Amino acid sequence: EVQLVESGGGLVKPGGSLRLSCAASGFPFSRYSMDWVRQAPGKGLEWVSSITSSSNYIYYADSVKGRFTISRDNAKNSLYLQMNSLRAEDTAVYYCARGSDYYDSSSYSGEYWGQGTLVTVSS
Amino acid sequence: DIQMTQSPSSLSASVGDRVTITCRASQGIRNDLGWYQQKPGKAPKRLIYAASSLQSGVPSRFSGSGSGTEFTLTISSLQPEDFATYYCLQHNSDLWTFGQGTKVEIK
Repeated sequence: EVQLVESGGGLVKPGGSLRLSCAASGFPFSRYSMDWVRQAPGKGLEWVSSITSSSNYIYYADSVKGRFTISRDNAKNSLYLQMNSLRAEDTAVYYCARGSDYYDSSSYSGEYWGQGTLVTVSS
Repeated sequence: DIQMTQSPSSLSASVGDRVTITCRASQGIRNDLGWYQQKPGKAPKRLIYAASSLQSGVPSRFSGSGSGTEFTLTISSLQPEDFATYYCLQHNSDLWTFGQGTKVEIK
């Protein structure tokens, strides 16, 4: 059974930092790209960042570029999001989601999601 | 960046109604589109992938169509458990883009 479990959310002051983790199991993690998606309270879904299976390519939404850093540890089946210089508008539930299989061109992204972790930026 | 325009933003419908939601991409995305259902406090759940393929375990009243820039999610006969918010997601580019969402409410 595929599982994605986020952790690391919490309350942080503006300008502070937080590191989110996503523990993956039930599939060959090292083969898949991974993404972070967030949802501010009462708002829609917003893609945040993506990392390819071997970390060769990394992408960010303009809203977090220069402040957030995505990374992964394939040996630990884990995905991370380092969030610096946090702002009130970063307050959201953050989800990790599985992307596509590098070795299967017919695979489609976004089948599996974690349950989310809440990040609140407030003084 | 690819923009996704989803409509309507909300709709009211009755149990048994046929419901259609549309997403338009700012450029061609082949069939790299999924449809998701989200209920309050829960993670999104994929209903449709590859624009028209039904996710395993999802009722057959849900269907998707389209390719290129125009996509449609149809619920053939709305059930009480279908009242939720629906999103499209394009993953043709390395930067995913979601539609704005459609909230389906009870009439």
